[in-house]
Amino acid sequence: GAGVSQSPSNKVTEKGKDVELRCDPISGHTALYWYRQSLGQGLEFLIYFQGNSAPDKSGLPSDRFSAERTGGSVSTLTIQRTQQEDSAVYLCASSLAQGANYGYTFGSGTRLTVV
Amino acid sequence: GENVEQHPSTLSVQEGDSAVIKCTYSDSASNYFPWYKQELGKGPQLIIDIRSNVGEKKDQRIAVTLNKTAKHFSLHITETQPEDSAVYFCAAGGGTASKLTFGTGTRLQVTL
Repeated sequence: GAGVSQSPSNKVTEKGKDVELRCDPISGHTALYWYRQSLGQGLEFLIYFQGNSAPDKSGLPSDRFSAERTGGSVSTLTIQRTQQEDSAVYLCASSLAQGANYGYTFGSGTRLTVV
Repeated sequence: GENVEQHPSTLSVQEGDSAVIKCTYSDSASNYFPWYKQELGKGPQLIIDIRSNVGEKKDQRIAVTLNKTAKHFSLHITETQPEDSAVYFCAAGGGTASKLTFGTGTRLQVTL
């Protein structure tokens, strides 16, 4: 597609439920990143996928968070047993090769609200 | 690892004035410095970037300067307009880094 697509755009879930957030990167972009942005805050790195390499999971805040990237394209971020502190905007970005050299293209994000 | 500091956190200017946002970084190996603009309800969008082999880059009303010796870079917006109101993020990366390191953001408000 023309840009990075994220779905859903908004998600309200009850505390304790699991949620899945989807990211469809730009075709041909081998690098994919997930970030979290709490209200009025900066960008918190969560996880990074690069081609067939093992993902960099160093930013995941707890073992309730996991992500996968199938076929080097679409990625899903899963949050199990959601807590109120998980409420935030989850941003996905993709890049040609290593984004640290080429910059990112971000999606519009998924706004997650845990009630 | 890399550490990026960004100032100021908020900036209010009158329409037509200039705005300057400054960032410092810690890793001398960083060689790529992009700037992102985030409007309300949207993801950050790349507006300009600079690599370490140049000291300044301009694109219409926006310019970025880089001082590698001092490890700082700045975003300059001239003739500001209300549509420039947004949150701006600087970032540093490049070399062997796998990801960009972002500053904490500057909320720019352009008043009439």
